[in-house]
Amino acid sequence: SAVISQKPSRDICQRGTSLTIQCQVDSQVTMMFWYRQQPGQSLTLIATANQGSEATYESGFVIDKFPISRPNLTFSTLTVSNMSPEDSSIYLCSVEVGGGAADTQYFGPGTRLTVL
Amino acid sequence: RKEVEQDPGPFNVPEGATVAFNCTYSNSASQSFFWYRQDCRKEPKLLMSVYSSGNEDGRFTAQLNRASQYISLLIRDSKLSDSATYLCVVRNTGGFKTIFGAGTRLFVKA
Repeated sequence: SAVISQKPSRDICQRGTSLTIQCQVDSQVTMMFWYRQQPGQSLTLIATANQGSEATYESGFVIDKFPISRPNLTFSTLTVSNMSPEDSSIYLCSVEVGGGAADTQYFGPGTRLTVL
Repeated sequence: RKEVEQDPGPFNVPEGATVAFNCTYSNSASQSFFWYRQDCRKEPKLLMSVYSSGNEDGRFTAQLNRASQYISLLIRDSKLSDSATYLCVVRNTGGFKTIFGAGTRLFVKA
């Protein structure tokens, strides 16, 4: 299993500002994932972060808007840049444990972001 | 068409009822299947994996029909604590991309 913590748990921000979300895992993992979950919606993958390489972004998400750092095998950050009210969402960090197609996916508690 | 589609819900059932959720997926190359549970304002957590032969965990039974690309979750003897959103999750080959369904909301009432 994996225990994941995220900081901050919630924030209220002004439009045009940026917020960096931190994700810490209690074990070393190869890939870390960042998801967004908007109210009443399911999870949408933003990007996959591998240690030592550029993050891989999903369609509709770009590095300039959502820069990601992955300095080591237990930590990652996601920045939401130049925020607008449309960025109001829950942002979740996730890892897969097990190896292969049957991996179990664990999630952090999420960061609830409100942009005014 | 969405890659993973679920019953829209919400399902409102009394305690003790049996309730079934359905899920269909569009990619025939999908390799692994799961049901996750998400409580209000909490993160999703794995409920159970879904195997081709079907599997049971206490009051929960999951079924997979690869020919019809269909997954189901059956909950027997519903408890108040079963109230949550149930997410159908499919993992595809080629990078093991994970796709989450939109979820089905369940309310169990006393």
